[in-house]
Amino acid sequence: AQTVTQSQPEMSVQEAETVTLSCTYDTSESDYYLFWYKQPPSRQMILVIRQEAYKQQNATENRFSVNFQKAAKSFSLKISDSQLGDAAMYFCAYRSAPVNSFGNEKLTFGTGTRLTIIP
Amino acid sequence: ETGVTQSPTHLIKTRGQQVTLRCSSQSGHNTVSWYQQALGQGPQFIFQYYREEENGRGNFPPRFSGLQFPNYSSELNVNALELDDSALYLCASSFRARGNGYTFGSGTRLTVV
Repeated sequence: AQTVTQSQPEMSVQEAETVTLSCTYDTSESDYYLFWYKQPPSRQMILVIRQEAYKQQNATENRFSVNFQKAAKSFSLKISDSQLGDAAMYFCAYRSAPVNSFGNEKLTFGTGTRLTIIP
Repeated sequence: ETGVTQSPTHLIKTRGQQVTLRCSSQSGHNTVSWYQQALGQGPQFIFQYYREEENGRGNFPPRFSGLQFPNYSSELNVNALELDDSALYLCASSFRARGNGYTFGSGTRLTVV
């Protein structure tokens, strides 16, 4: 079974600065997907960024980028130019790539990191 | 494009009762999953439905059951409620394709007393 570990329960960063959230995972699979989700007080999980394991290039979405180290099974999220609206719980998640179209598409989540933005 | 909507937003039930939670998938999505998120924890996978059939289940007892309807909306039913069932229940939908992310609803907060 796959596991996802987020070792930073809480992080804080000054507004406009850069912060990195850590995530490690354990799997014996070679093909999979990794995601970062943001959960603000509204409770809705919002997809921040995703990475396909077979792609060596790190994913980037505007101010959000990842450092994907497949051999080390590490998937960190870097937030540049932090904004007050970035304050939320951030969850790292793993999803297997099914061998056929009927495979299970469940997400395995870490325990989350609470990010606080200091004005 | 509509998102995922869940109802009700909050619910209080007594131990031993039964509860039904509802979810309307995002337009065009054909797969729905349910997750339980205990306070201070990450979501835990309950089960997934595709084409109205369950095609994956997490480590939850049979008293957690579900349905997916032809319009891809879904229900989560929990029988014989226990205090530990108190949690946020999240519904997520997707279009079944390789690597697609999920669209989540805002959840139903269930409190069992």
